[in-house]
Amino acid sequence: QVQLQESGPGLVKPSETLSLTCTVSGGSISGYFWSWIRQPPGKGLEWIGYIYYSGSTDYNPSLRSRVTISLDRSKNQFSLKVRSVTAADTAVYYCARGDYVGGNYNYNMAVWGEGTTVTVSS
Amino acid sequence: EIVLTQSPGTLSLSPGETTTLSCRASQTISSRYFAWYQHKPGQAPRLLIYGASNRATGVPDRFSGSGSGTDFSLTISRLEPEDSAVYYCQQYGSSPLFGQGTKVEIK
Repeated sequence: QVQLQESGPGLVKPSETLSLTCTVSGGSISGYFWSWIRQPPGKGLEWIGYIYYSGSTDYNPSLRSRVTISLDRSKNQFSLKVRSVTAADTAVYYCARGDYVGGNYNYNMAVWGEGTTVTVSS
Repeated sequence: EIVLTQSPGTLSLSPGETTTLSCRASQTISSRYFAWYQHKPGQAPRLLIYGASNRATGVPDRFSGSGSGTDFSLTISRLEPEDSAVYYCQQYGSSPLFGQGTKVEIK
């Protein structure tokens, strides 16, 4: 069964770029929508954006100007970059895969990584 | 812009009880693209319901979803202590969006 694992620095300085990678194992990255979601301390889940295996993307309007999601098919990975981070970007970051139902790929979150904590601090 | 509003904010219940969580959308959304998630502390969220009423793989039949248009609900029957979690609704017909969550405490 497919498994997802986030990786990347746990500490990022303000104004720098947060970079995370999600490695997909037990299945191919082909097909499906691949998402990033985060949860700031004490708050709810926030969708950051997704990438389809074709490379098309969509982002949360509140983050669109600072976020890029990309795909590396050769490594079965997809990545997240958040530029110009502040303390408000401190959160647990999750990667996730959508499902395939009735002949359609959906951008819900059917499979999740375990999450990785990123703290923005000098 | 769609807004999802969940109610109540917190529930404190006893084992064996049945409860219904509500999620109201600010505009009509397709039930085909509506989901519920369970999130326990320190764990990854878990997809419970997709397409408003379809249980995801491995989800007990104590969990059921219903609704259409702007009003959706998640019913949990025969509550167990392990059901303590925050439950989020989500629409994914356009850019995905989560509700703010309902915390369920089983004592």
